[in-house]
Amino acid sequence: GAVVSQHPSWVICKSGTSVKIECRSLDFQATTMFWYRQFPKQSLMLMATSNEGSKATYEQGVEKDKFLINHASLTLSTLTVTSAHPEDSSFYICSAKAQTETYNSPLHFGNGTRLTVT
Amino acid sequence: GQNIDQPTEMTATEGAIVQINCTYQTSGFNGLFWYQQHAGEAPTFLSYNVLDGLEEKGRFSSFLSRSKGYSYLLLKELQMKDSASYLCAVGAGNNRKLIWGLGTSLAVNP
Repeated sequence: GAVVSQHPSWVICKSGTSVKIECRSLDFQATTMFWYRQFPKQSLMLMATSNEGSKATYEQGVEKDKFLINHASLTLSTLTVTSAHPEDSSFYICSAKAQTETYNSPLHFGNGTRLTVT
Repeated sequence: GQNIDQPTEMTATEGAIVQINCTYQTSGFNGLFWYQQHAGEAPTFLSYNVLDGLEEKGRFSSFLSRSKGYSYLLLKELQMKDSASYLCAVGAGNNRKLIWGLGTSLAVNP
C-alpha cells in the first residue's frame, strides 16, 4: 500500500517553456504533499508543502510564481516549472502523507522526475 | 540554526559491517529517520528512532542518543546492492519539518 506515482520520469524541454509534473497517490488519500528538488550529489531540498484545497507553503528562497503547485484533489498534486531555464535542471521528487498518518510516519515518495532544460 | 552532519563518502567490503554516523543540532526534536537512495531513484524508508537506544531490523540497525545529538546506521553482511546514498533526516521545529542531511554515499566493493 501507500503507492505514489510521479509522471513523467524524465523530461527534456527548451529554455523558456513550461513543464508540468504530476504526483498521484494511488491507494490512499494524500492530504499533504511535499515537493523536493535534488541536485547531483546533494540532499533533498524541500521546495513547498501543499495541503489539499489550500495554497501551497513555499520554503524561503523558492519562487512561488516560478514553481506553481496545485493540489486540487486528495490524490493529485502538480508542480509546474514555468519559463524553465538550464539552472532549473534537477531531480524533482514528490512525497505524500495521508490524513491518518502522524509526523513520525515515513514519507511515501514518488519515483522522481529528471528535468533537463536545454 | 539547523544542522545535520554525515560523512560524505564511505567504502566497505562485501560481507563486512559498516557504521554510518549522523550528528544533528536542531531546534526541537521529533525523531530521526534513515532513508536509502539509489542513484536516480526516490528515497526508501529504513528506520525511525525517537527514543534512545538501538532499533534492529534485519541486516540494518539504527541507534539514537538524544543527549549527544547522535545517531548511527549499522549495516551488517553487506551486499553489493547496499551501494547507495544513506540520508539522515530529523523532524524539528514547531512544524515538525524534516531537516535532511547531505547523505553518505556508500560504495560496497567485492
